[in-house]
Amino acid sequence: GAGVSQSPSNKVTEKGKDVELRCDPISGHTALYWYRQSLGQGLEFLIYFQGNSAPDKSGLPSDRFSAERTGGSVSTLTIQRTQQEDSAVYLCASSQPTGGYTEAFFGQGTRLTVV
Amino acid sequence: QKEVEQDPGPLSVPEGAIVSLNCTYSNSAFQYFMWYRQYSRKGPELLMYTYSSGNKEDGRFTAQVDKSSKYISLFIRDSQPSDSATYLCAMEMGAGNMLTFGGGTRLMVKP
Repeated sequence: GAGVSQSPSNKVTEKGKDVELRCDPISGHTALYWYRQSLGQGLEFLIYFQGNSAPDKSGLPSDRFSAERTGGSVSTLTIQRTQQEDSAVYLCASSQPTGGYTEAFFGQGTRLTVV
Repeated sequence: QKEVEQDPGPLSVPEGAIVSLNCTYSNSAFQYFMWYRQYSRKGPELLMYTYSSGNKEDGRFTAQVDKSSKYISLFIRDSQPSDSATYLCAMEMGAGNMLTFGGGTRLMVKP
C-alpha cells in the first residue's frame, strides 16, 4: 500500500472491554507514532517508536494503554478495560528521517466509541 | 505545561479575511517547524515547513518563525471556505528526532 493503513476505521465497544487498534506504516519507515484526538483535548501524543530504540511511552494516559511494534513494522495499540473517556479518534503516523525535516504520514484514524 | 501550545479555537472568519494561526513552544533546540492541515475525518497532511527563523511563502500561505520569542505563525491570505480545517503546528530538533505537535486550531471560513 502507498500510505499508512489503520484498522478498524470504526469501533464501538462496551465499557470494560479490551480493544486492539492496528497500524500498518509505510514500508521502510522507521518511526511510528500513536496519537489520540478529541474535540475537547485536540491532538494528544501517546507513544513513539524509532527503529530498535526503546519506545517513548511518556504520553500514555494510564496503564490500561499499551502498544507494541512487531518486527519494526506493524503496530498494535491495546486499551484494556475501556472507559467512556477513551472515546476518541486514534491516529497513527509513520516517518523516515532524512537529512532535513521529517514529514509524518498519517492514517485515516480509528474512531473509537465506548458505550 | 505542554512543550508546544496552540489555541484550539474554533476560529471563525469571513471569506476573504486574512487568518493568523500561532504556536508557542518552550524547547529552544527545535530547528524545523511545520504546519499540517487536517480536513474533517481525514489524517493530517503536511502543508509547509520552515527551517530555523524567517519567513516562507507558498501561494496564499506564509509561515513565519521567530526563534527568539519561541513563536511560529501561519498566515492565510484571501481565505476560502475550502481552507476550513484543523491546522496543527509541529516541530523537531533535527532528522531522526521525535516530532512534537501542537493540539491544533480549528478554522472555519464562512462564505
